[in-house]
Amino acid sequence: QKEVEQDPGPLSVPEGAIVSLNCTYSNSAFQYFMWYRQYSRKGPELLMYTYSSGNKEDGRFTAQVDKSSKYISLFIRDSQPSDSATYLCAMNRDDKIIFGKGTRLHILP
Amino acid sequence: DAGVTQSPTHLIKTRGQQVTLRCSPKSGHDTVSWYQQALGQGPQFIFQYYEEEERQRGNFPDRFSGHQFPNYSSELNVNALLLGDSALYLCASSSGVDTGELFFGEGSRLTVL
Repeated sequence: QKEVEQDPGPLSVPEGAIVSLNCTYSNSAFQYFMWYRQYSRKGPELLMYTYSSGNKEDGRFTAQVDKSSKYISLFIRDSQPSDSATYLCAMNRDDKIIFGKGTRLHILP
Repeated sequence: DAGVTQSPTHLIKTRGQQVTLRCSPKSGHDTVSWYQQALGQGPQFIFQYYEEEERQRGNFPDRFSGHQFPNYSSELNVNALLLGDSALYLCASSSGVDTGELFFGEGSRLTVL
């Protein structure tokens, strides 16, 4: 079993819809949980960063962590075509950042 | 404020050759991590440098080596290239060691023929 599992998609949703992206993990030693966004032919950029269970909101983005279920989510409200990208979940263990495979998201105008 | 810069952006090598990739971290950052991202995959951790020392290493063979200079810039060297080394090589910088806040460069795309 991989340490971090993420459905690669692609996921296609209409503009304005709420998007839900998810990752599961197996190692309870993970301390920090991140979501990165990667546009085609670019490096990843940090979107959200949390270290505790619960929700964290930033504009149209909400990150949710459930440590008891080893499950994290990213919600995007009022999705826009510019949100079309690959979304990578990432987790910190022993100062090593482990990434999921990434989910390709397409927002249809 | 310059972000993370990497060079070259693209390069083509043949099997058995050696390659050196370079990275300048974001201003104020002292930690550099290198990742390999194959097509359709997430970044895989290669190693991390802090204070000119390799602090952490992922599951990569000794053909992959690196260096960090006193100005915090870094190099990634890969010897005896294999076809499977074709990938996007990403450099990420951060401040300190206990953080997930990585700032990535745009990567060096290596093609091995």
